[in-house]
Amino acid sequence: RKEVEQDPGPFNVPEGATVAFNCTYSNSASQSFFWYRQDCRKEPKLLMSVYSSGNEDGRFTAQLNRASQYISLLIRDSKLSDSATYLCVVNLNAGGTSYGKLTFGQGTILTVHP
Amino acid sequence: GAVVSQHPSRVICKSGTSVKIECRSLDFQATTMFWYRQFPKQSLMLMATSNEGSKATYEQGVEKDKFLINHASLTLSTLTVTSAHPEDSSFYICSARFGLSSIINSPLHFGNGTRLTVT
Repeated sequence: RKEVEQDPGPFNVPEGATVAFNCTYSNSASQSFFWYRQDCRKEPKLLMSVYSSGNEDGRFTAQLNRASQYISLLIRDSKLSDSATYLCVVNLNAGGTSYGKLTFGQGTILTVHP
Repeated sequence: GAVVSQHPSRVICKSGTSVKIECRSLDFQATTMFWYRQFPKQSLMLMATSNEGSKATYEQGVEKDKFLINHASLTLSTLTVTSAHPEDSSFYICSARFGLSSIINSPLHFGNGTRLTVT
């Protein structure tokens, strides 16, 4: 089983649609969680951190379910500019020098069309 | 603006040569930096953790003699791909944690990546 698993998609949605991405992680001791977006041939950029209580940033809502080891990202009112690959990222190590050692899911491709 | 700068952004080299990639933290000190590699249509894979003033920690399967890492200062880490071969062609990305290192929820910021093509 992969440490971080995502549905690779691709998701093709019209502008204005709501789309949800899911992610599961295998290590129950994982400490921190993030969603990054990566545009074609570019570096990943942080979209949002994911907190236990769930959090929202504009059109983006992230949820964490520790019991099910599941993370989600909801995008409302999709824009053309939302087209990208969305990476689920988990910090599997909590201590020592490996605190920054993130594990990436394979990414979910989103294409928003007019 | 960018908090992590990586150079060069693109390099083409011949098989057998060595390539050095620089990663700099801008306006902050990074005692630890991370080097990732991404092949086409695949996810980022951690290669090694670069520690300032000490040896890098390599992930399983990554040859330390082939991918030399030097982290000589708090703002600079370098990755040298030695005796590059076509299979080393990939997107190499460095990252650093911005903020107190003890805050594990602090996200990583990435350099803009280096696209290496070995002919």
